[in-house]
Amino acid sequence: DIQMTQSPSTLSASVGDRVTITCRASQSIAGWLAWYQQKPGKAPKLLIYKASSLESGVPSRFGGSGSGTEFTLTISSLQPDDFATYYCQQYNSYWTFGQGTKVEIK
Amino acid sequence: EVQIVESGGGLVQPGGSLRLSCAASGFTFSTYAMSWVRQAPGKGLEWVSSITGSGGSTYYADSVKGRFTFSRDNSKNTLYLQMNSLRAEDTAVYYCAKASGTSGYYYLGDYWGQGTLVTVSS
Repeated sequence: DIQMTQSPSTLSASVGDRVTITCRASQSIAGWLAWYQQKPGKAPKLLIYKASSLESGVPSRFGGSGSGTEFTLTISSLQPDDFATYYCQQYNSYWTFGQGTKVEIK
Repeated sequence: EVQIVESGGGLVQPGGSLRLSCAASGFTFSTYAMSWVRQAPGKGLEWVSSITGSGGSTYYADSVKGRFTFSRDNSKNTLYLQMNSLRAEDTAVYYCAKASGTSGYYYLGDYWGQGTLVTVSS
């Protein structure tokens, strides 16, 4: 089974900050990685697929990069609506989520 | 507009059974895989099961294999998750999600339902 590890688990940041979340796979997943945003009490929302492709309608301040075993989600300028929990998910072999990164207000 | 609506959640005793349903609309249902993802209270997301567009193949997480059965009725655009031998650790919000494809590499959810809560407790 492929394990996904996100870091950090919690991130404190201010509006306007550049934020980076890392996701590491226990083995190579090529570029088969998606990122989701989830707010309390709501379903997850797809942000990025295939490591760096932006889902339609998602603001361009969100960006993804990486391949193989190391990936990043970057928010170029954090907005009030971005305080949420973010999950990576591999789909190279079945499907596995990372444990999540909570982005909270500093 | 894509719509996904889960139903069937509730309170069940340990060892009991429950059947979740998921009704989908707004896309060509039979051409997409569908999945169930759950989230225990205060915890992260966990993939539970996926089914191909035709229903010919199903996949299960080890935690539910042999206890849960995922099926679909393409004539009704509806999915079913039969959950047997339920345990306290199955307590979670269960989300139904549309996948990005039905073969090859596809991610779990470009559209999600609002979730249905399953509570396993005596």
